[in-house]
Amino acid sequence: AQSVSQHNHHVILSEAASLELGCNYSYGGTVNLFWYVQYPGQHLQLLLKYFSGDPLVKGIKGFEAEFIKSKFSFNLRKPSVQWSDTAEYFCAVTLSGAGSYQLTFGKGTKLSVIP
Amino acid sequence: NAGVMQNPRHLVRRRGQEARLRCSPMKGHSHVYWYRQLPEEGLKFMVYLQKENIIDESGMPKERFSAEFPKEGPSILRIQQVVRGDSAAYFCASSPSTGVHNEQFFGPGTRLTVL
Repeated sequence: AQSVSQHNHHVILSEAASLELGCNYSYGGTVNLFWYVQYPGQHLQLLLKYFSGDPLVKGIKGFEAEFIKSKFSFNLRKPSVQWSDTAEYFCAVTLSGAGSYQLTFGKGTKLSVIP
Repeated sequence: NAGVMQNPRHLVRRRGQEARLRCSPMKGHSHVYWYRQLPEEGLKFMVYLQKENIIDESGMPKERFSAEFPKEGPSILRIQQVVRGDSAAYFCASSPSTGVHNEQFFGPGTRLTVL
């Protein structure tokens, strides 16, 4: 079965710092990749997704992620974080084809941005 | 345009009682997914339902757990004879149809605490 690893449990940054959250998955086949965000007290929202094509994916709110197939990675980046980016971030994967609706999530990374 | 609704948001049960969690999908969505998030873990897929049909329950524990999505009304996740290990956040998601290109929209979750 596929699995997703997020390297950092909690990241603390000052405003305007750059952000990179690591995500690795284990599966040898074709996958689809997602980053979700959960702001305090809110539900999960999709930040960005990758299915195919350009491995650099742009999402909402200035986030982007790069799919590196050889490294089984899909790291999330943002050049300059804001206090409002404080949230928990989840990387997720689905398999292409049958069962493609089953999202497998990492454990999440809590991001705290200090004003 | 209301999003995915879940109720109750918080549910406390004593061991041996029954827990009923409700999920109303977004308007126009006929596909419902339930996920469970245990403490310090990522969300894990439990079951996928369409109206009046269970499509995939491969992630659901074999005993005490059941799910339905009737023709009318919300989807229900039912846990009989709850135990402390059932304490978790239960998230529902919906999509307009299945397939990898259809985003799953998540509800706010129900946090179940078993005393």
